[in-house]
Amino acid sequence: DTGVSQDPRHKITKRGQNVTFRCDPISEHNRLYWYRQTLGQGPEFLTYFQNEAQLEKSRLLSDRFSAERPKGSFSTLEIQRTEQGDSAMYLCASSPHGQGVYGYTFGSGTRLTVV
Amino acid sequence: DQQVKQNSPSLSVQEGRISILNCDYTNSMFDYFLWYKKYPAEGPTFLISISSIKDKNEDGRFTVFLNKSAKHLSLHIVPSQPGDSAVYFCAARTSGNTPLVFGKGTRLSVIA
Repeated sequence: DTGVSQDPRHKITKRGQNVTFRCDPISEHNRLYWYRQTLGQGPEFLTYFQNEAQLEKSRLLSDRFSAERPKGSFSTLEIQRTEQGDSAMYLCASSPHGQGVYGYTFGSGTRLTVV
Repeated sequence: DQQVKQNSPSLSVQEGRISILNCDYTNSMFDYFLWYKKYPAEGPTFLISISSIKDKNEDGRFTVFLNKSAKHLSLHIVPSQPGDSAVYFCAARTSGNTPLVFGKGTRLSVIA
């Protein structure tokens, strides 16, 4: 297993366009998290899944954002009608259930630039 | 309301000396505290953690200290090496497996 994979690594899009990001977690991890990081800030929680169930969504996740995890495997994060304020690094992480003190394994992120 | 605070945006230390990174939190329900290290263009990587029942955890050159009464934790790196130069994030969560809450990070520069 090569860890958490995110695709694409970089995305430049025009304001108003839709974008979709993919995350492939570590195969035996049943929890998957999406975070967003902007310049000078730490990662901010967006949403997380346990298997295919989306268990929690942050108030940061406006109705333009939607996330799915079909069959409890990979996950997608879609942003509709992108705005310049959506420009950020989008991080995906996974963990086993009962993560204890070991935290999450993060992917390298997808950097979104909205022009 | 920022529940995890790292008040020093940056820290510069000479190689071989001790680096001390600080973190304060406001949520008394936090049970686990973690430190992550992040290099540019990479995701954060787990470094060391501590549960609230302990006051110290050591792993090689890295030691985390927890002072629950002060709601404060610190990461000590001894001796500091140039490869330690990175952004360090403090994170915390409750015992209910809730999502990690991160601080804003401290950029450590270790000067040779």
